[in-house]
Amino acid sequence: DVKVTQSSRYLVKRTGEKVFLECVQDMDHENMFWYRQDPGLGLRLIYFSYDVKMKEKGDIPEGYSVSREKKERFSLILESASTNQTSMYLCASIAIAGGGLNTGELFFGEGSRLTVL
Amino acid sequence: ELKVEQNPLFLSMQEGKNYTIYCNYSTTSDRLYWYRQDPGKSLESLFVLLSNGAVKQEGRLMASLDTKARLSTLHITAAVHDLSATYFCAVDLKGNTPLVFGKGTRLSVIA
Repeated sequence: DVKVTQSSRYLVKRTGEKVFLECVQDMDHENMFWYRQDPGLGLRLIYFSYDVKMKEKGDIPEGYSVSREKKERFSLILESASTNQTSMYLCASIAIAGGGLNTGELFFGEGSRLTVL
Repeated sequence: ELKVEQNPLFLSMQEGKNYTIYCNYSTTSDRLYWYRQDPGKSLESLFVLLSNGAVKQEGRLMASLDTKARLSTLHITAAVHDLSATYFCAVDLKGNTPLVFGKGTRLSVIA
């Protein structure tokens, strides 16, 4: 079974702290994503990556950065956490099939619930 | 910009009843997905619909896709309490782009 593991299920941080959210997948998936989930807003894409050292901005990248130094690991970084970044963060990955199309099914981690005080 | 809209956003159903959740999207695509999320849990894949007219069924849930109408439906037959969850639809424009999610439909099945 595909497994996407997020390092922390619950975090509490102070405003201005630097926060690292780690995500590791064990199925050699090319594409990885970070979403945040907020009540009434659904899932919104923060950043994604198609390959090692590659990154693309999603819909709400402000205040975030990412790192993908190894294929299996995709990290989300909050350089200076703010209270409006209190949210559930979901990491996901998907495999690429022939022809460059994805296989059609995202695999999600369990989520990291971040509270910024 | 692709927009994905679900309705209703909240749904309270009696056990044994049938109902349909609708997912409309704004830009032509033939790749649509349904996910389920239980409270406090992450999302898990329910259905992958990759062509016009695609229909998938699993237990009491059936999903279909009409790409000309840009509409997918998730039909619930004879609802049971275990189906209580939030259901999301998501669209992929080209097969190699990030999924865009609807806001989710929170379903509550009551006795």
